[in-house]
Amino acid sequence: RKEVEQDPGPFNVPEGATVAFNCTYSNSASQSFFWYRQDCRKEPKLLMSVYSSGNEDGRFTAQLNRASQYISLLIRDSKLSDSATYLCVGQMEYGNKLVFGAGTILRVKS
Amino acid sequence: GAGVSQSPSNKVTEKGKDVELRCDPISGHTALYWYRQSLGQGLEFLIYFQGNSAPDKSGLPSDRFSAERTGGSVSTLTIQRTQQEDSAVYLCASSRGWDGELFFGEGSRLTVL
Repeated sequence: RKEVEQDPGPFNVPEGATVAFNCTYSNSASQSFFWYRQDCRKEPKLLMSVYSSGNEDGRFTAQLNRASQYISLLIRDSKLSDSATYLCVGQMEYGNKLVFGAGTILRVKS
Repeated sequence: GAGVSQSPSNKVTEKGKDVELRCDPISGHTALYWYRQSLGQGLEFLIYFQGNSAPDKSGLPSDRFSAERTGGSVSTLTIQRTQQEDSAVYLCASSRGWDGELFFGEGSRLTVL
C-alpha cells in the first residue's frame, strides 16, 4: 500500500462549483500534512499546511482526520485558474522526508 | 538567484551513457530532496539529505543511481548506464528542514534515446 493515496481524477467542474478532494495515508504515526499545487509542466508549490483543527485560506479549507487517517481539501467558488494537479503530502516525523501522493487533477470549465 | 537552481534544464543522451544532474539549493536550507516525475505521473521520491545526517536513499530505484551533497549545499545526482525508462523530469527541492514547505527547482528533463 502506498504511503499517501489520492484519487487521480480528473475532477471536471463548472466555475463557481465547490469541489473536495480526499487523501488517505497509511502510517498512523505521520505527523504533518500539506497540500501542494502543480500546474502543467511546472514545479509543485505549497498551497497550504493541514492542521488538526482545520485551517482556511480564502476559498480553500484543509482538514485532517487522524482517526480515519485522511486529509481533505475543499475549494469553494472554483475559478478557471484553480485548474491544476493537487498533491497531498505527508511527513512521518518531524524533519523526516516528505512523501507525495500521485495527485488529483482538477479542471474548472466555464 | 534566490531560488533553487537546476542544470541542465534539458539533457538528451544515448542509452548506456552516464549523466550528472546538478542542484543548487536556496542558501541556508538544510534539507535537500531529489524526486523524479514521468509524464502524467506523480512525484517519485529518490533521495533526501538533511544537514549532516546520513542521507535517506530508500527511493533510489537501482544501484545505477547515486547522489551526493557537498559541503551541505550543492547536490549532484548521477545516473550510470542510462536506460530508456530513466527518461523523466528530475526535480530538486530544498527546505529549511523543520517545516513542510519545499522550494522546487524547474527540473532537469532527461531523455534517453
